[in-house]
Parts: sequence; C-alpha cells; structure tokens
Amino acid sequence: NAGVTQTPKFQVLKTGQSMTLQCAQDMNHEYMSWYRQDPGMGLRLIHYSVGAGITDQGEVPNGYNVSRSTTEDFPLRLLSAAPSQTSVYFCASRVQGFNEKLFFGSGTQLSVL
Amino acid sequence: TQLLEQSPQFLSIQEGENLTVYCNSSSVFSSLQWYRQEPGEGPVLLVTVVTGGEVKKLKRLTFQFGDARKDSSLHITAAQPGDTGLYLCAGAKRAGSARQLTFGSGTQLTVLP
Repeated sequence: NAGVTQTPKFQVLKTGQSMTLQCAQDMNHEYMSWYRQDPGMGLRLIHYSVGAGITDQGEVPNGYNVSRSTTEDFPLRLLSAAPSQTSVYFCASRVQGFNEKLFFGSGTQLSVL
Repeated sequence: TQLLEQSPQFLSIQEGENLTVYCNSSSVFSSLQWYRQEPGEGPVLLVTVVTGGEVKKLKRLTFQFGDARKDSSLHITAAQPGDTGLYLCAGAKRAGSARQLTFGSGTQLTVLP
C-alpha cells in the first residue's frame, strides 16, 4: 500500500548542478503532477501529465523538465540548479475525474547553495 | 498572483476553543477542496465541496462553500491538539488538458493542551 513514493527525501546541490527527483505511484493513476511549496506561497504547480507520453506546463515550469514514459513514474529534472529553486517539492497523483482526490508523496526538501 | 487568500496565516489557540479559517478569491471555482498537512508530510484531503452554499461536516470540522463559489470557510469546534497542522484550501478550474488546483497559502493552526 505504498501510494506515491518520492526520492530522495533531502538533497543539497550547488548552483549549476543537475539532478532528478523521482516519483512513482502504484495506484494506476492517469494524472500525475509536481508542485513546489515555499513559505507564504502555498503549493504551486510546476508540470503535470494526464497519461503516459503526455506532459504539460503548470504555473511555474521554468528551469524544470519532465517526462512520462510509463503510467507509474513521473521524474522531475533540474538541468542547472539555481538558489531560487530551493524549496520543498511534492509529487501528486489522482484518477482522471472532475473532483477527484489528489494523493501526495511525502516531499523532497531541496537546498541549492 | 495568489488567487486564493487564506486568513489568518497563523492561529494559536487553547484546547477546547472554536475557530474559523477563511479562504477567499475573486475567481469562481468549480469546486473547492480542503487539505491538512503535517510536518514532513504531503497534504491529505479532508473534504471536497462542489455546490454553492454547500455545507459538509467531518466530525468537529464544518466546511462551507460560498453561494457564489468564490470563497469557503472551515470551522473547528472544540479544537484538540491533534488538529494542529497546516490547513490548505484549493480551488479547481479547468486549465490546459486537465482540471487544475490552485492552492491558498495556508493557515498554520496550533492547538495548545
């Protein structure tokens, strides 16, 4: 009964480094998304996907890439990390539907020095 | 641009007291969800309200969706320390290829024993 699994839990990067945040769900959800959470800003949508092979931009996509090769996995890539990307990142998934519940992972705390 | 404003931002009360948290917007949403988030974890859905004027109760928590579907409130009766957490409202709108949620900045509630 894993739900949405995110790795790593914590990560420290230097400016300019690249990395991938991993997200996997075992609920066969079509929809997956990435949010970032900053103090006083709530959760902001970075990218989302409505199915394998389909991705789209959210509110704050700059500096991030995504791909969806399988239903289960939705990795988030930072190609050249910047201090402004210091944040807590959450992956979330749900079934397709108008008012369906979002299931969140436990988050990745990322610091960019 | 923060479409959903939550107030108050912080709230500290004694066990047994009542409280209300507000979520306001100038935009109309097709539905509104309330989540609770605990430290180190992702948000967990509490309720979804869909119809203008709708009231839903979850034990000691009462949720109301405004008649114009632009605002919502969460009322907690006889708060307990277990109610401590970050409460987030999220409004749903169709954008791009799927319904998207816009999150408020949250209300940090602390209930003291």
